[in-house]
Amino acid sequence: DAGVIQSPRHEVTEMGQEVTLRCKPISGHDYLFWYRQTMMRGLELLIYFNNNVPIDDSGMPEDRFSAKMPNASFSTLKIQPSEPRDSAVYFCASSETSGLNEQFFGPGTRLTVL
Amino acid sequence: DQQVKQNSPSLSVQEGRISILNCDYTNSMFDYFLWYKKYPAEGPTFLISISSIKDKNEDGRFTVFLNKSAKHLSLHIVPSQPGDSAVYFCAATLAGNMLTFGGGTRLMVKP
Repeated sequence: DAGVIQSPRHEVTEMGQEVTLRCKPISGHDYLFWYRQTMMRGLELLIYFNNNVPIDDSGMPEDRFSAKMPNASFSTLKIQPSEPRDSAVYFCASSETSGLNEQFFGPGTRLTVL
Repeated sequence: DQQVKQNSPSLSVQEGRISILNCDYTNSMFDYFLWYKKYPAEGPTFLISISSIKDKNEDGRFTVFLNKSAKHLSLHIVPSQPGDSAVYFCAATLAGNMLTFGGGTRLMVKP
């Protein structure tokens, strides 16, 4: 398996633009997580899905953020409109169970909002 | 309020010596703890874990210690190698629910 795949790897956009980050989890994994890494807050969970259903989105910072998982092999994290403070590295991870088993992370998307 | 804290943002160690990375948590209900390692431009990768019913788990050069009364865990790397230079995150979970990560500690192992 190729592991968790994220695209794009880098995204530079201007404030106010819509940004869509994509993730393909490892086949057979039931859980998918979206994280954001910043210098100030470290690695924080934004939202996670179980069998394509959002379970906990309490980490989503604002209504500007939304995430979907239309099927078991694809998820998106959308920011609309984007702001400079959204600049961070966004990671997608998947696992067979929610927490006790290790989560496998993608390489991340580095987002820069100018 | 951060439930998992890594108070040392960075640590520098000489090759061959011991590296000790620390992590504190506030939620006494956490029952499973993990350490992840992250290299630049890569996602975190799982390193080692420990259940709250244990106080020590060892895997090669890596040992994790858990002190529940102090709500403290530590990761020991012996001997440290330059390839261990990375950011280390500790994480905790409750009843198999989502992981709560600390802010990370950057370890630099000097040759």
